[in-house]
Amino acid sequence: DAKTTQPNSMESNEEEPVHLPCNHSTISGTDYIHWYRQLPSQGPEYVIHGLTSNVNNRMASLAIAEDRKSSTLILHRATLRDAAVYYCILRVHSGSARQLTFGSGTQLTVLP
Amino acid sequence: DAGVIQSPRHEVTEMGQEVTLRCKPISGHNSLFWYRQTMMRGLELLIYFNNNVPIDDSGMPEDRFSAKMPNASFSTLKIQPSEPRDSAVYFCASTRTGRTGELFFGEGSRLTVL
Repeated sequence: DAKTTQPNSMESNEEEPVHLPCNHSTISGTDYIHWYRQLPSQGPEYVIHGLTSNVNNRMASLAIAEDRKSSTLILHRATLRDAAVYYCILRVHSGSARQLTFGSGTQLTVLP
Repeated sequence: DAGVIQSPRHEVTEMGQEVTLRCKPISGHNSLFWYRQTMMRGLELLIYFNNNVPIDDSGMPEDRFSAKMPNASFSTLKIQPSEPRDSAVYFCASTRTGRTGELFFGEGSRLTVL
């Protein structure tokens, strides 16, 4: 799997937007960009994924650069509950399930 | 809907003892994954199954580790004999083949080997 690069940590104030960057300069045309997050003492949970176009769901938005070499996860209004480790992962979608390879992620701290 | 269910949530054992971790995937899911998480190494894939068949076990540390999936609703990860370096949180995850890849994780089993 192609490699992603994320900052080790970021801070945000509560109720403000958060932009979590991810670089993936070696992404291939078949790689989808996935984001997961892991709250303290819990298993990872899916946040969002996309291929080329920007994506929105109830949890977040995903902005993908035109050359697809970077992406940004956007939390529109951070809450204390959003404090977690956020993982950016590249994954090929195929008929058979393939594993997710997790990097070290970005530890997001939300300040009250 | 019930999520991925793992047991036990916490296990403390002594070095040399056998440890069995259990996982019940989400009904209808046909792929199951075992991950291990430590501070030093982060989240590592140990093994995954498609339709109850092990596909890739290259992440299994050594012969002391074994995993089985006797049917679509149950999997075990066994460590025999256990060692202190096996202390970690073990996660099970499942998904349905053909979906765009959303994995559903259990809450994990925290293993401490003394």
